[in-house]
Amino acid sequence: DAKTTQPPSMDCAEGRAANLPCNHSTISGNEYVYWYRQIHSQGPQYIIHGLKNNETNEMASLIITEDRKSSTLILPHATLRDTAVYYCILRQYIQGGSEKLVFGKGMKLTVNP
Amino acid sequence: GAVVSQHPSWVICKSGTSVKIECRSLDFQATTMFWYRQFPKQSLMLMATSNEGSKATYEQGVEKDKFLINHASLTLSTLTVTSAHPEDSSFYICSAGMRDTQYFGPGTRLTVL
Repeated sequence: DAKTTQPPSMDCAEGRAANLPCNHSTISGNEYVYWYRQIHSQGPQYIIHGLKNNETNEMASLIITEDRKSSTLILPHATLRDTAVYYCILRQYIQGGSEKLVFGKGMKLTVNP
Repeated sequence: GAVVSQHPSWVICKSGTSVKIECRSLDFQATTMFWYRQFPKQSLMLMATSNEGSKATYEQGVEKDKFLINHASLTLSTLTVTSAHPEDSSFYICSAGMRDTQYFGPGTRLTVL
């Protein structure tokens, strides 16, 4: 079973920041927080991951609370192409990426013009 | 980098026939690949873990004799759906691990008539 909870859906205006929340109150010390998104009829796309420090890349920023029980994915300037289902997933770190991912229901983000 | 391809992108077959789906890591080697299945309006469900040079590990409830997995090289894993039936119609997605991240293929839409 997935160990994260996300709201089922969220709307955002184009050009505004989208803040996507995720709760993971039972996270263990060696689990990373990963974010993927899936645009309709495509394979999931990796966005970002982190352990305890905030992370930023060209796609998004990840803010993890100090107690690590929740996190927020931030898309700084949402576009229509960011409309997708976003998955927040906990995963143990194993070199080579061999640990399986367990997908929950995710959250549907709709970016409106 | 970290590109995963799948072939074919879609396939239609008659009931009782077998279908082979290929998953390739194009610019990296992967000792472990994963196969997922996704039904309409549902999340991804892990079917099996494919290990290069050894037998695949199947998730509970997945028939290993029906879904044959071969991971013959560090860049190729294949999933064969044997004696396909309409209930096997689904979106099949593979992923491959590089460093500490899994990257997904674009998926294969299987329709069994």
